[in-house]
Amino acid sequence: EVQLVQSGAEVKKPGESLKISCQGSGYNFTKYWVGWVRQMPGKGLEWMGILYSGDSETIYSPSFQGQVTISADKSISTAYLQWSSLKASDTAMYYCARRRGSTTLQYYFDYWGQGTLVTVSS
Amino acid sequence: SYELTQPPSVSVSPGQTARITCSGDAVSKQYVHWYQQKPGQAPVVVIYKDTERPSGIPERFSGSSSGTTVTLTISGVQAEDEADYFCQSADNIGTLYVFGSGTKVSVL
Repeated sequence: EVQLVQSGAEVKKPGESLKISCQGSGYNFTKYWVGWVRQMPGKGLEWMGILYSGDSETIYSPSFQGQVTISADKSISTAYLQWSSLKASDTAMYYCARRRGSTTLQYYFDYWGQGTLVTVSS
Repeated sequence: SYELTQPPSVSVSPGQTARITCSGDAVSKQYVHWYQQKPGQAPVVVIYKDTERPSGIPERFSGSSSGTTVTLTISGVQAEDEADYFCQSADNIGTLYVFGSGTKVSVL
């Protein structure tokens, strides 16, 4: 059974750093891209970036380039999303999701993590 | 710009048909996929590649495409279908992924 299990909720102060994780199981983690999606309170889904752990190739949304870092440790089938200096506006639910689709025309996200709630407040 | 437009809300009575549209210039060039998100839960794909239904998704969910608009149809709506629905597509080289703004389906 394919699963993406994310790390637990975090409460941080502005200016602090944070790294959240997403561990895949039930499939070959290095053969699939994993994306990160933000959902601010009461809002829609925003794609942040995507990573292929096989070679660590990473693509960022222009909206999030330079704001976060996406990485992975393929030896433990885990992807990461990190911030060096959090802002209150980073308060949101963050989801990881596995990308599916055999051609560029078809890319979608077939399995999702349960989400990690990040709260940034002084 | 790469945008997908959805109506903010759709209301439907149980047993009736709900139709949710997703429009944009890219829709005619790229496949569109649909996700259902219930409160407090992660999104779940209910339709991919415009019209394909994943295993385990009820047959009442279907998708169609015409020109610059794709439509998610829920036939015989049930109370459990009350949720937010998002469409999603990608650019033609897989470097940009876009979600629609979401449609809240209310079952009256």
